[in-house]
Amino acid sequence: GENVEQHPSTLSVQEGDSAVIKCTYSDSASNYFPWYKQELGKGPQLIIDIRSNVGEKKDQRIAVTLNKTAKHFSLHITETQPEDSAVYFCAAPTSNTGKLIFGQGTTLQVKP
Amino acid sequence: NAGVMQNPRHLVRRRGQEARLRCSPMKGHSHVYWYRQLPEEGLKFMVYLQKENIIDESGMPKERFSAEFPKEGPSILRIQQVVRGDSAAYFCASSPVSGTDTQYFGPGTRLTVL
Repeated sequence: GENVEQHPSTLSVQEGDSAVIKCTYSDSASNYFPWYKQELGKGPQLIIDIRSNVGEKKDQRIAVTLNKTAKHFSLHITETQPEDSAVYFCAAPTSNTGKLIFGQGTTLQVKP
Repeated sequence: NAGVMQNPRHLVRRRGQEARLRCSPMKGHSHVYWYRQLPEEGLKFMVYLQKENIIDESGMPKERFSAEFPKEGPSILRIQQVVRGDSAAYFCASSPVSGTDTQYFGPGTRLTVL
């Protein structure tokens, strides 16, 4: 069935360093790729998304890249800050109903 | 501009009782998705509804679980005869249109079954 793989499962960086999280997907029909940030006890918050007609999208310190040929997409966070510490999930829709298949999550820890 | 609202935020039930989880989508959104997050795991799709219609319930357990989204009022996820394995965080998300449109999540309902 449809699958989204996410790596790494945990990531620890020093404040100010960059963080990269990678995802691969299996459904070649997927054409929308959101990233969510989830803080403890809260719901997932959309932080950035990309559609298949572009290869890269930036929003301040956050960027997402997409390689449709290889079926993978990545989240890049530059100049990390302690408040970036959270669990990050990638996702891809499958079927024409838009239900999202989520990656397993990456726990990012930014050390001050 | 209120976001997706869910209530209750926390729900405690004993085995065999019923749990009712409510979700009010964002204003102007007519599509609701329910997801379940088990402890230390990712989110798993359960069901997708539009007003008065279940569109995709491929992620719903075959027994004890049901969902509705009436013409008026919130979407309801109902779990009958709860068991300890139902303990999880249940999130709903809404979108203005289906397909590849953005889904916005609520704060979730954390269900604990004693």
